[in-house]
Amino acid sequence: SYVLTQPPSVSVAPGQTARITCGGNNIGSKSVHWYQQKPGQAPVLVVYDDSDRPSGIPERFSGSNSGNTATLTISRVEAGDEADYYCQVWDSSRVVFGGGTKLTVL
Amino acid sequence: QVQLQESGPGLVKPSQTLSLTCTVSGGSISSGGYYWSWIRQHPGKGLEWIGYIYYSGSTYYNPSLKSRVTISVDTSKNQFSLKLSSVTAADTAVYYCARAHIAVEIFDYWGQGTLVTVSS
Repeated sequence: SYVLTQPPSVSVAPGQTARITCGGNNIGSKSVHWYQQKPGQAPVLVVYDDSDRPSGIPERFSGSNSGNTATLTISRVEAGDEADYYCQVWDSSRVVFGGGTKLTVL
Repeated sequence: QVQLQESGPGLVKPSQTLSLTCTVSGGSISSGGYYWSWIRQHPGKGLEWIGYIYYSGSTYYNPSLKSRVTISVDTSKNQFSLKLSSVTAADTAVYYCARAHIAVEIFDYWGQGTLVTVSS
C-alpha cells in the first residue's frame, strides 16, 4: 500500500517561512492535497492539486510537488498557523493520509 | 453551504457494532460527483480513512478495516451511515463524515466529528 511520510514536528519563529514535507514513492505523479487541523476542530483544506488554494486561504500558503517529495510552504508564519498539517493523495481508489506534522510557532 | 453532521452513540461496548449516521444539508447526496466518506482519528493521532460510498450505493473500504465495515446511503433522508462491527478499545476515536469531490479528489466539507469510546 502507498505510504506518505511527514516529519512529526516543525518549529518556526513568527514571520519566518515554514516548510512541511510529504514523502512518497513518485509522489510527483500524484495530486497532493494539504489540510490544516487545529485542536478540537475538523481538518480544513489549505492547498489542493499540489499548489492551488481554496478561496479564503491566504496567499501565504503554497505548495509544490516533484519527484518523491511534496512540500507545503507557509510564508510569514503567524501564531494562528500553529496546527497539525496532513498531506493526502488518492492511490488506486484508496485515500491515503500522511501521519501529520505539528507546526509550532515559537 | 453544505453541512454534514454526525450522530450516534458516544459509548459502545466491546464486541458490539458501532453505528453512526451523517446527515447532509445544503446539498443533495443524489446530485452525483461526490464520494460520501468516513474518516476517523484516534486520540492524539493522525487521520485514518475508513471508506466511502457513492449515491448509487457503490462502496470502497480501507483494506485494513474492510472485514468489519459497512457504509450505506439513504438518499430519501439525505444521509449515509457507518457500521463497524466487533469493536475493541482500538476503535475509540473521533469519527468524521466528509464529502470527497471526485473530480478534484479533495475532502471539501467535513462534519464536526463525534467521539466514540469503546468501553464496558
